[in-house]
Amino acid sequence: QQQVKQSPQSLIVQKGGISIINCAYENTAFDYFPWYQQFPGKGPALLIAIRPDVSEKKEGRFTISFNKSAKQFSLHIMDSQPGDSATYFCAASPGAGGTSYGKLTFGQGTILTVHP
Amino acid sequence: KAGVTQTPRYLIKTRGQQVTLSCSPISGHRSVSWYQQTPGQGLQFLFEYFSETQRNKGNFPGRFSGRQFSNSRSEMNVSTLELGDSALYLCASSRDGSQPQHFGDGTRLSIL
Repeated sequence: QQQVKQSPQSLIVQKGGISIINCAYENTAFDYFPWYQQFPGKGPALLIAIRPDVSEKKEGRFTISFNKSAKQFSLHIMDSQPGDSATYFCAASPGAGGTSYGKLTFGQGTILTVHP
Repeated sequence: KAGVTQTPRYLIKTRGQQVTLSCSPISGHRSVSWYQQTPGQGLQFLFEYFSETQRNKGNFPGRFSGRQFSNSRSEMNVSTLELGDSALYLCASSRDGSQPQHFGDGTRLSIL
């Protein structure tokens, strides 16, 4: 019940295209859903995050869509650029306190390649 | 504002040895979490410290331990190293253990 399932494992997109990565979760106690971007040799960097009280959040070219009833959320990268080539992780965390302290449950990651 | 700093960046050890990794959180952040990243298992939560107390723990054996100092800096120790402990160990900090968390660039541990 603690799992977060992420798909696809890898994604190839042409420059200017839309990249879409999907995640699904089971634990209804999750209430914070971030996306992280990781480049080789670097740690994950927080891209954008959402809480269940909204269905969509946009920051620049990055948008999270959230479907609470389906327990799914996705990352859309508009106008994808070669510099976006990285590994993307979705994650989830339950509400404050107890077993939630400092704990993120991560998806398995998606390797995105944007061709020029 | 400086980010999360982890030292050393790379370590090579042999089976049976022990190792200590260090993490300095973002200034003002009092919560430090540790994660293990491997190609097979992905990113897995080890434990979280706040005010020098472990408040949360993942599903790892007792060979993995940690501590936090009064200045919020944290160390992680792995004893009796096994080949399977080869991984990138990541530290993340937040103000109080709630989200968001910010990660360091990790310590790459290789076991020979």
